[in-house]
Amino acid sequence: SQQGEEDPQALSIQEGENATMNCSYKTSINNLQWYRQNSGRGLVHLILIRSNEREKHSGRLRVTLDTSKKSSSLLITASRAADTASYFCATDARGQGAQKLVFGQGTRLTINP
Amino acid sequence: DTGVSQDPRHKITKRGQNVTFRCDPISEHNRLYWYRQTLGQGPEFLTYFQNEAQLEKSRLLSDRFSAERPKGSFSTLEIQRTEQGDSAMYLCASGHGGGLSYEQYFGPGTRLTVT
Repeated sequence: SQQGEEDPQALSIQEGENATMNCSYKTSINNLQWYRQNSGRGLVHLILIRSNEREKHSGRLRVTLDTSKKSSSLLITASRAADTASYFCATDARGQGAQKLVFGQGTRLTINP
Repeated sequence: DTGVSQDPRHKITKRGQNVTFRCDPISEHNRLYWYRQTLGQGPEFLTYFQNEAQLEKSRLLSDRFSAERPKGSFSTLEIQRTEQGDSAMYLCASGHGGGLSYEQYFGPGTRLTVT
């Protein structure tokens, strides 16, 4: 079963706009990661945020984490056509050795030129 | 760092046949993971190795599935007597050990189609 739920399931915006995706999870975590997947391909690691962090930046990416609400958001600023992909959040449950990731169902992002 | 590689990239097989997939992790990574992903879903954990030891297996991994990592380097995932429900993308990932946070780096996947 999947722990995370991404919202929205699909998002379509114009190039240059910002895209925000949200993720909710159920159990206490060690960290939360965001991945990107282009159609039919493997996952690319984007960013990891630890449970004691609230915000993290990497280039055009900004991730927030609210452990009290068990939620995270991924903001992509100044979107480009190449950002078109599915985005997944993944958590590893606290106290279970941080060995496996539990993924949400993903947000399909389409950037229109 | 050549990344995680998987072979083959695509496999079409008839129901009842056995298939084997290979994963070569990033060389300095001692952790190796297998996941399965069906269309429109996120990946689901199958099994995990630290070096050559298989430390965790999902209930998704029925007795028709077996995974090995004999020398703590590459890994194989075998599916015996394939069923149409086995059709999916099989993803391998590797990562460093130690600490409480583990980034995982994924290969391109093997897409299995069972006809």
